Amino acid sequence: SAVISQKPSRDICQRGTSLTIQCQVDSQVTMMFWYRQQPGQSLTLIATANQGSEATYESGFVIDKFPISRPNLTFSTLTVSNMSPEDSSIYLCSVEEWGRRNTIYFGEGSWLTVV
Amino acid sequence: DAKTTQPTSMDCAEGRAANLPCNHSTISGNEYVYWYRQIHSQGPQYIIHGLKNNETNEMASLIITEDRKSSTLILPHATLRDTAVYYCIVSPGGGADGLTFGKGTHLIIQP
Repeated sequence: SAVISQKPSRDICQRGTSLTIQCQVDSQVTMMFWYRQQPGQSLTLIATANQGSEATYESGFVIDKFPISRPNLTFSTLTVSNMSPEDSSIYLCSVEEWGRRNTIYFGEGSWLTVV
Repeated sequence: DAKTTQPTSMDCAEGRAANLPCNHSTISGNEYVYWYRQIHSQGPQYIIHGLKNNETNEMASLIITEDRKSSTLILPHATLRDTAVYYCIVSPGGGADGLTFGKGTHLIIQP
């Protein structure tokens, strides 16, 4: 399966700042997604990262708060803007591997704590 | 709205088969059944998925009823490392819409 690397793996951030999370895959993928997992909760889909165009956001998530880029088939970034303690979560990148349709893999996640 | 129903938690003895049930009575004809697990502090791990037929891989077996309204994930010889939250998800091919996670089943393997 594709190897998905996320950076940073963990960070402590100050309220009001922004942080960009990177997702790098070792092979080409068709779809890339970003999820959030708040403490003690299940995963929630934030958006689909579309190559070369604006991301598709789920209800409750907006581009101004979570800008996403996907410049090519193997890389995407998620920025968490103007952070508050409520943004403390695990942020996860997931991908559908090229040639393995309908099989979705997840990265190890980026743990953000906002203080 | 939850598309799947799973028990909140289950226990299983080490070395025995763990059978995790999932109800998905409103599943559509084009929706797959996916199983993932999440061990504390880690990203979800793909286990298996299927459409209509039973599936088996090196990790587990997936048994889907003929009417597709329920399924069972079988871990044939559970070990302590199989303790995790197991998610059953239905989706029309995860590549199109992403996956909608419910609360899952917390499986605890007892020594």
